[in-house]
Amino acid sequence: GQNIDQPTEMTATEGAIVQINCTYQTSGFNGLFWYQQHAGEAPTFLSYNVLDGLEEKGRFSSFLSRSKGYSYLLLKELQMKDSASYLCAVRDSNYQLIWGAGTKLIIKP
Amino acid sequence: DGGITQSPKYLFRKEGQNVTLSCEQNLNHDAMYWYRQDPGQGLRLIYYSQIVNDFQKGDIAEGYSVSREKKESFPLTVTSAQKNPTAFYLCASSIVQSGPETQYFGPGTRLLVL
Repeated sequence: GQNIDQPTEMTATEGAIVQINCTYQTSGFNGLFWYQQHAGEAPTFLSYNVLDGLEEKGRFSSFLSRSKGYSYLLLKELQMKDSASYLCAVRDSNYQLIWGAGTKLIIKP
Repeated sequence: DGGITQSPKYLFRKEGQNVTLSCEQNLNHDAMYWYRQDPGQGLRLIYYSQIVNDFQKGDIAEGYSVSREKKESFPLTVTSAQKNPTAFYLCASSIVQSGPETQYFGPGTRLLVL
C-alpha cells in the first residue's frame, strides 16, 4: 500500500526554527508537495521537490531524498501566523496526489 | 480575479437526502478534483476529471456522484448511500498533472448530518 507519515503535532517558539519531517512509500514518484492549511480553510501550496536537494523560498525551505523516501519542511524565523497544519503530498506513478495526515504546528510566544 | 469557489460554506443533510456541493473555477484548468478531509486524516480523493464529460473514481467514490458538463464546473452529489457524510469537502483544480503545476483549492464545504 501507499503510505505517508508525518508527526501529528509539533510545538515551537516564535522566532525559532522548526523542521517537519515526511517519509513516504508510494507506487512511483513524480514529485513531492508541501501545503499549509489553517484551521477550517483550504490548503495553500508552499513548495515542490522532484529532484534531490534543498529548495529555498524565503523563510521556508524543503528538502528531498528520493533514495530514502524522505522530505522535510524547514520554517525559519517563526511567526505566530505560521500556526497551521502542514501537509505533505506525493504524486504517484498515476499522477495522483497521496496525502499525509498533516502536522499541526503550534507556535508559542 | 481567478479562483475556485465552492458553495455553500456549510450544508446540512437529513437522513435519506441527496445533497449537491457546487464547485466552479475560472482558472481555465482542465483537471478538477473532489477530496474529503476528516479530522486526523489526510485528504482522500473522491472523484477527479481531466476533461469535460469524463471523470474517474478516486479511492472513496462509493456514495458519491459527479458530473462535468462544463470545463468550469464539477458538482459533487452526496447520495443517501453515503452513510457517514459528515466531513470537510474540498474541490481543487490544476492545469496538468505533471511538473510543478500544483492543485489549487476552493474554500471548502463543511457537510453536517441532522
